[in-house]
Amino acid sequence: AQKVTQAQTEISVVEKEDVTLDCVYETRDTTYYLFWYKQPPSGELVFLIRRNSFDEQNEISGRYSWNFQKSTSSFNFTITASQVVDSAVYFCALSEPARGTYKYIFGTGTRLKVLA
Amino acid sequence: GAGVSQTPSNKVTEKGKYVELRCDPISGHTALYWYRQSLGQGPEFLIYFQGTGAADDSGLPNDRFFAVRPEGSVSTLKIQRTERGDSAVYLCASSLGTGADTQYFGPGTRLTVL
Repeated sequence: AQKVTQAQTEISVVEKEDVTLDCVYETRDTTYYLFWYKQPPSGELVFLIRRNSFDEQNEISGRYSWNFQKSTSSFNFTITASQVVDSAVYFCALSEPARGTYKYIFGTGTRLKVLA
Repeated sequence: GAGVSQTPSNKVTEKGKYVELRCDPISGHTALYWYRQSLGQGPEFLIYFQGTGAADDSGLPNDRFFAVRPEGSVSTLKIQRTERGDSAVYLCASSLGTGADTQYFGPGTRLTVL
């Protein structure tokens, strides 16, 4: 069955520390998409990145980087030199368009607290 | 351009009442999605529209929930005979159209059923 697991419920770090948020997914499809979203206290889900199953290149965007490893079904997210503004709940999500439905399956989220 | 908008931002109702939640997608986006997010959980899929038709309503929990998108733009999620368990944040998202497109989310409507 399709599933996304974010085992870390809550992480607290001190500003400027690096932090990695884990995401493990389950799918039987060969074509799928993975996403990360940020949900700040305001509540709106903010899109961060999309990765398709055929592209295992890691990606870096400023202080953010993502490590996609099909061998371990993981799509981890690292924030380098964390800042207080990074405090939010982060969600990993899976989409399997080959099934004819384009719904996202979300993990339960990881709450990140960055302390000044 | 403008993002996805949802109204109202908050809705408090009494058990047994009927409510309507509105979503206005990003202009030009043909696909529209509704999700429900309970406290401490990730969003859960409810229904997906491609144009005016519901392409996938497998996430609707029961027949008290219904959604429409009559002109292929604005959508309304309707909940009849509300129950306390319906209390949650209802999120709407839209995407350009194809299945692989990224979904962009609105701010949500927080529904509280007393």
